[in-house]
Amino acid sequence: QSVLTQPPSVSGAPGQRVTISCTGISSNIGAGYDVHWYQQLPGTAPKVLIYGNSNRPSGVPDRFAGSKSGTSASLAITGLQAEDEADYYCQSYDSSLSGYVFGTGTKVTVL
Amino acid sequence: EVQLVESGGGLVQPGGSLRLSCAASGFTFSSYDMHWVRQATGKGLEWVSAIGTAGDTYYSGSVKGRFTISRENAKNSLYLQMSSLRAGDTAVYYCARGNSGSGSYHFDYWGQGTLVTVSS
Repeated sequence: QSVLTQPPSVSGAPGQRVTISCTGISSNIGAGYDVHWYQQLPGTAPKVLIYGNSNRPSGVPDRFAGSKSGTSASLAITGLQAEDEADYYCQSYDSSLSGYVFGTGTKVTVL
Repeated sequence: EVQLVESGGGLVQPGGSLRLSCAASGFTFSSYDMHWVRQATGKGLEWVSAIGTAGDTYYSGSVKGRFTISRENAKNSLYLQMSSLRAGDTAVYYCARGNSGSGSYHFDYWGQGTLVTVSS
């Protein structure tokens, strides 16, 4: 079950900036657990995009930036490109569930 | 190069059993936690189970008591024994590596997934 809430979709023209929110509660993001973001291109497995709230693995463009505050986190994509069309998921840990939780997922469309 | 390759998916009747495997290569398998994450068609990701380096196991509430995760370090392999399967277990099952080496625990590598379909 998804306990982190994301908008179902966001869209933007090439070159624009879009943001995806990830809202949790006091037992997950609000408890201080890190938030990670994964990108899932159509028909492929997820790939880590941001880890530890704001860190990019090597090879991930600096157009992608993550942040966290309180019970929420955000992923910003600047200079949107056609290749960014994908589903994006946030992920954290929930102490009440004693398990890892994912967001509901957001589909990014490049107009 | 880190590689995770799942196998064992297929069609199974409700109430049946299935065993998934994940073959790992390109890293010291015994040094990492491993996870199973599933995704129903057109739906989001759901964490299923984890096994630590010491063999400690963890399950989501939706599969606890029905699924068993295990590992065989000598064979660089991860397994998921699934029983009492339900239609709601139908999904692509991914194995993923858990990594805290960067100071923040996350799933840094994923396999390509194997499809499990529970249907009569």
